[in-house]
Amino acid sequence: ETGVTQSPTHLIKTRGQQVTLRCSSQSGHNTVSWYQQALGQGPQFIFQYYREEENGRGNFPPRFSGLQFPNYSSELNVNALELDDSALYLCASSYGDSRTYEQYFGPGTRLTVT
Amino acid sequence: QKEVEQDPGPLSVPEGAIVSLNCTYSNSAFQYFMWYRQYSRKGPELLMYTYSSGNKEDGRFTAQVDKSSKYISLFIRDSQPSDSATYLCAMGYNFNKFYFGSGTKLNVKP
Repeated sequence: ETGVTQSPTHLIKTRGQQVTLRCSSQSGHNTVSWYQQALGQGPQFIFQYYREEENGRGNFPPRFSGLQFPNYSSELNVNALELDDSALYLCASSYGDSRTYEQYFGPGTRLTVT
Repeated sequence: QKEVEQDPGPLSVPEGAIVSLNCTYSNSAFQYFMWYRQYSRKGPELLMYTYSSGNKEDGRFTAQVDKSSKYISLFIRDSQPSDSATYLCAMGYNFNKFYFGSGTKLNVKP
């Protein structure tokens, strides 16, 4: 059973640029959730994708967008990067049923915006 | 007011001690409650899940939910140095959005 993987591991971008982060879900999972974790804080929910459709969104502006592909892998896109976007971005995959609480997290992508 | 409040610690205990970790919350609609462990530079790992009120035990870990007080706890018995990590509580009222606490850093000294 393959776990959740994320790429890249680290990324440095300049304010105003755009970034794409990638996530491969665990085998058998059809739901992916994305979280932003600032230093010393808990993860904050960005959005969730279930079977290629957005299935819930947190309090993040529209410049945060996502995609889920037929193989249930996912991308997080952030446009017009701001300094406050510097954080660890986590994706978590799960089954899209009553077991959705059982999320398996990837190791994260650490984004630094300068 | 944050949806979920959690004391950031750090909490330092000797090996073998009983550890008590807590979270309070404001949304009475929450009914799914989770505890995660996060080691440095890793993603969170699910430890315990509880639906609605009550207790749940799994090995050295016990999770308690008191919905009347909007208070949840995680107890770790016979704590080990390998338990040193940040512990995150999380909760939600449906399956598509979970709210996390800010995490409590635990250090178990040998």
